[in-house]
Amino acid sequence: NAGVTQTPKFRILKIGQSMTLQCTQDMNHNYMYWYRQDPGMGLKLIYYSVGAGITDKGEVPNGYNVSRSTTEDFPLRLELAAPSQTSVYFCASSYSIQGGYGYTFGSGTRLTVV
Amino acid sequence: AQSVTQLDSQVPVFEEAPVELRCNYSSSVSVYLFWYVQYPNQGLQLLLKYLSGSTLVKGINGFEAEFNKSQTSFHLRKPSVHISDTAEYFCAVISNAGGTSYGKLTFGQGTILTVHP
Repeated sequence: NAGVTQTPKFRILKIGQSMTLQCTQDMNHNYMYWYRQDPGMGLKLIYYSVGAGITDKGEVPNGYNVSRSTTEDFPLRLELAAPSQTSVYFCASSYSIQGGYGYTFGSGTRLTVV
Repeated sequence: AQSVTQLDSQVPVFEEAPVELRCNYSSSVSVYLFWYVQYPNQGLQLLLKYLSGSTLVKGINGFEAEFNKSQTSFHLRKPSVHISDTAEYFCAVISNAGGTSYGKLTFGQGTILTVHP
């Protein structure tokens, strides 16, 4: 039972480069989320999806894009990397929109933009 | 809108001592409440949750939390901590009654618990 799998675990990008953070879940969850974690700031919601083909912005979406072509996959795209995007990124999924089940988190991707 | 405030950014404590990590929330609608734990270089794990019913909730690893609606608090406690409890702890809320925050987990800033021998 893999749960939520994120790749890569670490990445260093140069300013202006692009990359895609991958997220896959095998629990057949409809609801998926991308958060970024910065020291002392907790986790901030970037984008979320309530099902295949449906995505919406969270609290801090600028500089990011997402797509959801299947239930399992929810990749996060950085088009023009900036130092402000240096962070740890977490993907999560949930069984129910009502929230009582909580979220299952991936192990994170640590991104450094130099 | 909803928000979460964790009142202590760092809590140092000696092994076998009791600990309380404080969390206050603000929301105009009904919420569910959660505590997550993050060990170094790992993702977040669910520690416990309050949905309804008894205000005292027990979780994994001997932790418990008490929901206080009048004070809008959800403090986390453990009567005797171990070295292995050293981690960052996050309080979180989710609206269960509609609104713009419906279905989206909002986190506090985190509390780093350091247990010393």
